[in-house]
This record gives sequence, structure tokens and C-alpha cells, in this order.
Amino acid sequence: DAGVIQSPRHEVTEMGQEVTLRCKPISGHDYLFWYRQTMMRGLELLIYFNNNVPIDDSGMPEDRFSAKMPNASFSTLKIQPSEPRDSAVYFCASRFGSSYNSPLHFGNGTRLTVT
Amino acid sequence: AQSVTQLGSHVSVSEGALVLLRCNYSSSVPPYLFWYVQYPNQGLQLLLKYTSAATLVKGINGFEAEFKKSETSFHLTKPSAHMSDAAEYFCAVSGPTGANNLFFGTGTRLTVIP
Repeated sequence: DAGVIQSPRHEVTEMGQEVTLRCKPISGHDYLFWYRQTMMRGLELLIYFNNNVPIDDSGMPEDRFSAKMPNASFSTLKIQPSEPRDSAVYFCASRFGSSYNSPLHFGNGTRLTVT
Repeated sequence: AQSVTQLGSHVSVSEGALVLLRCNYSSSVPPYLFWYVQYPNQGLQLLLKYTSAATLVKGINGFEAEFKKSETSFHLTKPSAHMSDAAEYFCAVSGPTGANNLFFGTGTRLTVIP
């Protein structure tokens, strides 16, 4: 099992540019989560999907952020336009089922720097 | 509202010494509690979880944690630190809507001194 795969590992972009982060969950997992990690705010849940359907996007900061899951094996998080305060590490995670006994599996993250 | 507080953003211990990482929680419902570990440039991995069974929970790599309702605490311990334990540790509590909304603490970076 290859685990949760995120790309790119690092992204450096200029303010105002569009940024797209990608995630491939573990095969068979039906839940997918996007988290953002910053020094100031720690780890925050942005949005999660169940069977490709967005369930809770209340953590998405503002309209500049959008997430899609066109199929069970792929999800994107897009920021348009990007701003310096979006600089953070973005994690994708997946799990099978909603039981507390089913652990979250995290990818290695995408480190985004917006200059 | 759900939240966790991790006391001490940085903890240093000598190799072989006791590791104690503190976590206190606030929850409007009976909590489910988790400890995750993050090694450099990696995602978080589950260390252990409390899901209302035994209050003393054993996890991977020799770590354990004890749920104390009276103290609203879920501290993480390991009797003897190894160099490989150097990482960042996160405590998390489940939200009222279930396991799909975890509230993480801000993390504690553990340094192990040889």
C-alpha cells in the first residue's frame, strides 16, 4: 500500500497566482480530509468528503479556497488568488469508515509558500 | 466546544529518561481522545486512542496514555526515551458530530538528548 500521496511536496508561488494541490487517497478509503498546518493555528480541518461528496466545508477560510473530489482516487484543493497568509503545510488524509477505531492516514503534506 | 491544550510547546529529555507530554481537553460530550506523532517532513501517524474502553491505553513504540476524567487530562508517557522518539506530538479530541471532526492541539516538540 503506497499510502496517501500528495503532490507537489513543495510549492512556491507569487501572490495572486492560482495554486492547485493534489491528493490520492488510499484505495478503498471512503473518507478524505484536507487539513492546514501553521505555527500560529496548528492543524485545522478545512473540508472533508465521504464517497466523493463534500460533507463539511465549514473550515474553508474563504471563497478563494475550493476543493473537489471528481472520483474516489483523486482530490484537489485550489487557492485562487493566493495570498502570503496562505503559506502553510497542507495535509490530505483518508480513512475507511467513520468509526473511531478507523485511524486517519495522512500524506506527507505540501509545503506552500506564497511570496 | 471541543478543544485540547498541550502544555509546553517544547520538551527536552535525556535518552533513557521518562517522557511526559501533557494534554488537557474540553468537551461538551464524552470525549474520544487521540495522540498522533509527526516526524520531520512527514504526515501525522496515530500513536494511540481512547474510545471509552480502558482508561489506560497502550500505543505503538512503548507509549501509553491515561484518561482521567476528573482532571480532564490525557497525558502521554513513555518510561524510557529513545533518540528515535524525537518528533512532534499532537493530542486531539473528537468533535460532537463524531470521528470525522478532530480538534488538534498545537503540538509538543520532543527533543531527546544523548
